[in-house]
Amino acid sequence: QQQVKQSPQSLIVQKGGISIINCAYENTAFDYFPWYQQFPGKGPALLIAIRPDVSEKKEGRFTISFNKSAKQFSLHIMDSQPGDSATYFCAAKATGNTPLVFGKGTRLSVIA
Amino acid sequence: KAGVTQTPRYLIKTRGQQVTLSCSPISGHRSVSWYQQTPGQGLQFLFEYFSETQRNKGNFPGRFSGRQFSNSRSEMNVSTLELGDSALYLCASSFGQGGEQYFGPGTRLTVT
Repeated sequence: QQQVKQSPQSLIVQKGGISIINCAYENTAFDYFPWYQQFPGKGPALLIAIRPDVSEKKEGRFTISFNKSAKQFSLHIMDSQPGDSATYFCAAKATGNTPLVFGKGTRLSVIA
Repeated sequence: KAGVTQTPRYLIKTRGQQVTLSCSPISGHRSVSWYQQTPGQGLQFLFEYFSETQRNKGNFPGRFSGRQFSNSRSEMNVSTLELGDSALYLCASSFGQGGEQYFGPGTRLTVT
């Protein structure tokens, strides 16, 4: 049972465009939603995270949009650059002694 | 501050052997989580240790085990290796349980 569904699996975006990756969850106990960026040969790096008390969080070119009623959250990368080409993972966690649950990842390619 | 370190970075083992992987968390971090990453299944949670105690365990067979030492360093062991155990094994540390997780570069295990 996949607790966090991520789409699309792969994404190709033109340089300067907006990259959008979506995630959906079922467990209403989730209250922490991070996004990780992973380059080949490296471990995932925490990019940005949100809690359900806000609907949007922005850090530089990266924005998380959160829709609690729809149980969905998304990552927007504005002005996408070739250096953003990586695999992105959404994740979710409930309060307390519970593990992070990851989506299956989206491979983003930003082409010039 | 030094990041999470994992040793070895690469490992080749034969079916039936056993392997031990090591993880040193960020200084001051007391929680260590282990994940298995494969192309098909993505990131799957193995277990979490906090203050030398296993706090959470994922859905993996008993061949997968771990421990944490008093200095928060952690090891995971896989016995009777199978071909399907070939994966990138990632360790993540956080200050406390439920805190932001920071990943190491992983150990690439190949079972032949």
